[in-house]
Amino acid sequence: RKEVEQDPGPFNVPEGATVAFNCTYSNSASQSFFWYRQDCRKEPKLLMSVYSSGNEDGRFTAQLNRASQYISLLIRDSKLSDSATYLCVADSGTYKYIFGTGTRLKVLA
Amino acid sequence: EPEVTQTPSHQVTQMGQEVILRCVPISNHLYFYWYRQILGQKVEFLVSFYNNEISEKSEIFDDQFSVERPDGSNFTLKIRSTKLEDSAMYFCASMDQGAGEQYFGPGTRLTVT
Repeated sequence: RKEVEQDPGPFNVPEGATVAFNCTYSNSASQSFFWYRQDCRKEPKLLMSVYSSGNEDGRFTAQLNRASQYISLLIRDSKLSDSATYLCVADSGTYKYIFGTGTRLKVLA
Repeated sequence: EPEVTQTPSHQVTQMGQEVILRCVPISNHLYFYWYRQILGQKVEFLVSFYNNEISEKSEIFDDQFSVERPDGSNFTLKIRSTKLEDSAMYFCASMDQGAGEQYFGPGTRLTVT
């Protein structure tokens, strides 16, 4: 089983749509979780940390379910500028990051 | 806003040559990392560095790789004898405390011919 697993997509959605990405992780020692955004041939940029209580930042909401080892990201009112690859990340338990393969999102005009 | 910087942005080298990739982490950060991303693949951990020593390294980080923090600001990755399969984007990252958020530099694209 992959350590961090994501649907690679692509997800093609119209502007204004709501889109949800899911991710599962296998290492029960993971304590910290993140969503990063990566544009083509650029570095990963932190989008948000993910907490058990859930957290929201504007149009973005992240949720963590430790029992199911499942992380989600919801993007509301999609913009053209949201087109990117979204990387699910779990800390290994030793402060290194384990990345998923990423989910590609394309928002269409 | 403080950021991680990396040089060069692109390095082309011949197989068997040594390369040094340079990074300047965010100044008050304590944990430093190198990751790599082969084109079309996921980001992979190479090595972590804390308190002037390697804290963890992956299977990829073999004897051909080394890291150094020669002064208070730079963090370098050296590949002693490059192979074709070392061609990738190499990202440096830093973090201010354990289990915090890592911030990535813009990367160095290494092409081995």
